[in-house]
Amino acid sequence: RKEVEQDPGPFNVPEGATVAFNCTYSNSASQSFFWYRQDCRKEPKLLMSVYSSGNEDGRFTAQLNRASQYISLLIRDSKLSDSATYLCVVRSSNTGKLIFGQGTTLQVKP
Amino acid sequence: NAGVTQTPKFQVLKTGQSMTLQCAQDMNHNSMYWYRQDPGMGLRLIYYSASEGTTDKGEVPNGYNVSRLNKREFSLRLESAAPSQTSVYFCASSAFTSASYEQYFGPGTRLTVT
Repeated sequence: RKEVEQDPGPFNVPEGATVAFNCTYSNSASQSFFWYRQDCRKEPKLLMSVYSSGNEDGRFTAQLNRASQYISLLIRDSKLSDSATYLCVVRSSNTGKLIFGQGTTLQVKP
Repeated sequence: NAGVTQTPKFQVLKTGQSMTLQCAQDMNHNSMYWYRQDPGMGLRLIYYSASEGTTDKGEVPNGYNVSRLNKREFSLRLESAAPSQTSVYFCASSAFTSASYEQYFGPGTRLTVT
């Protein structure tokens, strides 16, 4: 079983839609969680960290459920520019290194 | 600031050839990393350097070597390239403090081994 699992998609949604991605992780001792965004043929960039209490940044909301070991990302009012691959990332408490999920691809259509 | 830079951007090698991928960062970060990214596999850590003078194996180190030349530079060497090493290679750096584990990535090197 992979340490971090995501549905690869693709998720095809119309502009203005609300879309949510989930990610599960296997190590219950994991301590830090992030969402990265990767545009086609580009490098990954940090989108937002995920805090236990949940956090929001504009149209983006991240949630953490430690009991069920999953992380979610909600995007409201989708824009064409949101089209990208979203990587779920967990910091391993054992090694301190970041473990990346394979990513979920979002395609927002006009 | 340039952030993290990588050279070359593209490379085609024949099986058995060697090459070195170069990476440099200008953010005064202590930690640097090399990843490979393959379809359906996500980013996998090859080697990392927690601080200048130290290097450690990641998840997929076989067939690679690294050198942390100084605080700025971290190179990845393929001694005898194999088709299985066809991939996109990303270098990253991080301050790696309790205040920030964010990793900053370079633009990547697309390597094809024939």
